Amino acid sequence: GAGVSQTPSNKVTEKGKYVELRCDPISGHTALYWYRQSLGQGPEFLIYFQGTGAADDSGLPNDRFFAVRPEGSVSTLKIQRTERGDSAMYLCASSSLLGSVEQFFGPGTRLTVL
Amino acid sequence: AQSVSQHNHHVILSEAASLELGCNYSYGGTVNLFWYVQYPGQHLQLLLKYFSGDPLVKGIKGFEAEFIKSKFSFNLRKPSVQWSDTAEYFCAVNGVNAGNMLTFGGGTRLMVKP
Repeated sequence: GAGVSQTPSNKVTEKGKYVELRCDPISGHTALYWYRQSLGQGPEFLIYFQGTGAADDSGLPNDRFFAVRPEGSVSTLKIQRTERGDSAMYLCASSSLLGSVEQFFGPGTRLTVL
Repeated sequence: AQSVSQHNHHVILSEAASLELGCNYSYGGTVNLFWYVQYPGQHLQLLLKYFSGDPLVKGIKGFEAEFIKSKFSFNLRKPSVQWSDTAEYFCAVNGVNAGNMLTFGGGTRLMVKP
């Protein structure tokens, strides 16, 4: 079966612009996670969805970042007024069972803010 | 709060050498522990996991890790590395009562010389 997919694979934007990053989890997975990975570092948690609702958004750095998962499947991470410091790899992961923490990662979207 | 420390940022080995990558975590409770691997140009893949039971866990490709609770450690080992093990390795922790997010270490970049 298909794994987690993310689009686009690369996104280059200008400072101040708005971007949307999309994640398609593994079919049937109820939990979805977003992480951000800066160069030379490990992934850092941003937000976690269980179904349609954000169960934990404690990792979002500020109110320019927002994520939705309206139908409990595909999720979109939205970044307003992008800054150069937002440049990073954005990773999505999903897991199958309520309470399961074994997460399957997608290939990521590399965001570059010029 | 949970945190993870990986002691070695870069490791260079010759083929057939033995490998041990250090991982220490900080969390005041029960934990789930993971090692993920990222091969060049590929996404994060689960190498092995510890939830409970036998503290010596075996993963794919001959890797194993030992959970030593008294040392808050979960070191990764392989008796004989191959050139194809060249990759970046990430240790991750999930505190059982800290939500479902993973907290990653900074990663260890392993290069195996043929």
